[in-house]
Amino acid sequence: QVQLVQSGAEVKKPGSSVKVSCKASGDTFKNYTFVWVRQAPGQGPEWMGRIIPIFGTTKYAQRFQGRVTIVTDESTGTAYMELSSLRSEDTAVYYCARGLWFGDLYDPRDYYIDFWGQGRLVTVSS
Amino acid sequence: DIVMTQTPLSLSVTPGQPASISCKSSQSLLHGDGKTYLHWYLQKPGQSPQLLIYEVSNRFSGVPHRFSGSGSGTDFTLKISRVEAEDVGVYYCMQSAQLPPFTFGPGTKVDIK
Repeated sequence: QVQLVQSGAEVKKPGSSVKVSCKASGDTFKNYTFVWVRQAPGQGPEWMGRIIPIFGTTKYAQRFQGRVTIVTDESTGTAYMELSSLRSEDTAVYYCARGLWFGDLYDPRDYYIDFWGQGRLVTVSS
Repeated sequence: DIVMTQTPLSLSVTPGQPASISCKSSQSLLHGDGKTYLHWYLQKPGQSPQLLIYEVSNRFSGVPHRFSGSGSGTDFTLKISRVEAEDVGVYYCMQSAQLPPFTFGPGTKVDIK
């Protein structure tokens, strides 16, 4: 059974950073991507970025470029997403998800998300 | 970015009756490899989204046969042949033909009459 276990909710001050973790079970780390998606209250999902753990290669949504960093720790099978310069509009549930991909280092093709973590609420408030 | 739109934005259905949701993309989702990268998710109340349909018409593991997907190019449809109480939630289409980013539709909220 696929498990993506995320850490608990947090409250952050504007201008600070938040780092969300996602621990994966099974073969997720070796054969899939980690995708980060957020969902503001009452809104639809918004893709932020993803990493292919075996290569360490990342792609980020343009609107988060320079503010978001996604990394993985192979020793613990955990992915991390850090978002900096937080503002109130960043208040959302942040999901870690597992993505399918194919291809190789030079031409990876992202396919779709097949499993989602339980999500973690990040509240940005002064 | 590819923009996804969905209609209707809300739907109230009598149990046992069919339901249909339309999803349109601002660009063709047919990739040069011949695959069409359009997928459907259901987010039940208080839960994370779950995959229903991938690549237009392929039901994901464990998804009931009453769910079906169709379409091509820029126009797609999700159909529920006979709605059940457990089908309530928000349905999203998502494209992965052009990355970054994956983009989602605004969602269609389905409830039971």
